Order: sequence, then structure tokens, then C-alpha cells
Amino acid sequence: NAGVTQTPKFQVLKTGQSMTLQCAQDMNHEYMSWYRQDPGMGLRLIHYSVGAGITDQGEVPNGYNVSRSTTEDFPLRLLSAAPSQTSVYFCASSPRTYSYNEQFFGPGTRLTVL
Amino acid sequence: AQTVTQSQPEMSVQEAETVTLSCTYDTSESDYYLFWYKQPPSRQMILVIRQEAYKQQNATENRFSVNFQKAAKSFSLKISDSQLGDAAMYFCAYRSGGSNYKLTFGKGTLLTVNP
Repeated sequence: NAGVTQTPKFQVLKTGQSMTLQCAQDMNHEYMSWYRQDPGMGLRLIHYSVGAGITDQGEVPNGYNVSRSTTEDFPLRLLSAAPSQTSVYFCASSPRTYSYNEQFFGPGTRLTVL
Repeated sequence: AQTVTQSQPEMSVQEAETVTLSCTYDTSESDYYLFWYKQPPSRQMILVIRQEAYKQQNATENRFSVNFQKAAKSFSLKISDSQLGDAAMYFCAYRSGGSNYKLTFGKGTLLTVNP
């Protein structure tokens, strides 16, 4: 298994540009989520999904869109990038078979918005 | 909403010695889970140890153990026989029980291991 994969690893955008951060997992996990990590802030939840076709907002959803058309993929879209979205983004997944589940994290995407 | 507080932004320890990282949390729930994640310079998030709130026994994973004080809402991580590879950012995280899979993280503690 490749686990949770994220592409790209690094990205530089200009203010106002749009892009999609890709996240995929091959473990057949129902739950997937996106976090952002900023210095001194820990990780904060952006959006999450409990299964294909179902998404919901986390703590800091503004400026981001998500969709979940398949179990495997959970892309994060920035429609009009802003410097405040400069951050490291992590995708995570876990099964829903029982409550104790570990969340498996991807390697992260470092995004810089100029 | 739940909050997780890590009051030590940075800690250091000598190789082979023991260090304890602090974490407190605020919740009104009785069913929840607590986690410690390690983030080395590679930035990969690695689960170190986890604790179910209903278990009184403290979790242990090799050199890593926790001191879970439910009434005090405290969840500290003890690293014994510290190794250079333990140097990393450590995050404490909270998750509600049931079908809520969302993690709430503390701000992290940067651990330095001195040779």
C-alpha cells in the first residue's frame, strides 16, 4: 500500500491564482480530512469527509472547497489564493470500523502564496 | 468546543535521559481519545501513543508512556532513554468518542536532544 499520498510536495502561487491540492489513499478508508499547519498554531481542520459524496466544514474552511466523488480521492481547492493561505497542508485518512482509529497522514504540501 | 494546551513551546533533554512533555485539555465529554503525534524534520506526522479516556491504565509503547489524569484533564508524555532520533515537534491531540473523527491539536512542543 502507498498509504496517503499528496501532490504536489511544494507549490508557489501568486495572489488570486487557483489550484487543487491532491490527496489519495489506497486503504479503502471512509474518513478523510484536510488540515493546515502554521507556525505556533498546531494543525487545524479545514474540511473533512465521512464517505463518498459527504463533506463538511472544519475549524478554518473559508477560502477552500472540497469534494469527494470516490472513496480514494479528496482534493482541496483554492479558488483565489491569498497570502494568508501560505501554510503546510496535510491530508489524513482513517477507517470507520471502530472509534479508536489512528489517522494516517500524508507527507504534506508546502504552499506559498506571494 | 474542546481545546488542547501545550504549555512548553520548547524542551531539551540530554541523550539517554528522561523528559516529560505536558498537555492539558478542556472538554465536557466523558468519551474521548487522546494522542501524541511526533513530527520530525521530514514533517511526516507519526502516531506515538494513544489513550482511551475510559481506561484508567496509562498507555505505554516501548520508551514512551503517558500519565493520564482524567480529573485534572492532563495527558503528559514521558520519553525514557532519549535518543537523537526523538528530536522532533510533538503534538498532543484530542478526539471525541463515537463517530466524530475530528482531531483537535495543541500548538506543539519542539524537543531537542543533546548528545
